[in-house]
Amino acid sequence: EVQLVESGGGLVQPGRSLRLSCTASGFIFGDYAMSWVRQAPGKGLEWVGFIRSKGYGGTTGYAASVKGRFTISRDDSKSIAYLQMNSLKTEDTAVYYCTKYNRNDGWAFDIWGQGTMVTVSS
Amino acid sequence: QSALTQPASVSGSPGQSITISCTGTSSDVGAYDFVSWYQQHPGKAPKLMIYDVSNRPSGISNRFSGSKSGNTASLTISGLQAEDEADYYCSSYTSSDTGVFGTGTKVTVL
Repeated sequence: EVQLVESGGGLVQPGRSLRLSCTASGFIFGDYAMSWVRQAPGKGLEWVGFIRSKGYGGTTGYAASVKGRFTISRDDSKSIAYLQMNSLKTEDTAVYYCTKYNRNDGWAFDIWGQGTMVTVSS
Repeated sequence: QSALTQPASVSGSPGQSITISCTGTSSDVGAYDFVSWYQQHPGKAPKLMIYDVSNRPSGISNRFSGSKSGNTASLTISGLQAEDEADYYCSSYTSSDTGVFGTGTKVTVL
């Protein structure tokens, strides 16, 4: 079964850091680009950023709202994608979803994790 | 990058057809055929319904169809069913090599 499982969420104070992990199974992780999408309580979906597969350069891209604070990386040997979040703000409070792209030269998220909640509050 | 514009809500009776619009710009929806649509039920993760403007993933009912004209993409649900009641989001690739979602549409089955 193709599956993504996020972990690492929790309560963190403004200005602190948190790292989320996304463990993949059921597919060849290294062959696909991965992305993070978030959803603030009662709000819509917001694309956070992505990382391409090594075969497509392993490049990353970020939404303007997180650029310079968030970093996405991947460990293909462990089938894990990471989202390092620094200088967290209260507006970063959201459920964070890990997603898989349906193909490297496309832009659609065909597999989603269950999400992990991040609460930024003092 | 501003969110793509969707109507806040759309409703229809069982068996009817409804269409949800998704309006972007010449830098996103109008520039690429990389528009996708997602269905989200309360408390659940989103689910891919349409990719590349009009393609359905395996297992998605043919009652769901997508199209695009200029800077506006559309999702049509035919033969509306109670289980279709959910939030729907469009998404597009952008010329900045980033992504963007729509504002979301709540579909109500009357």
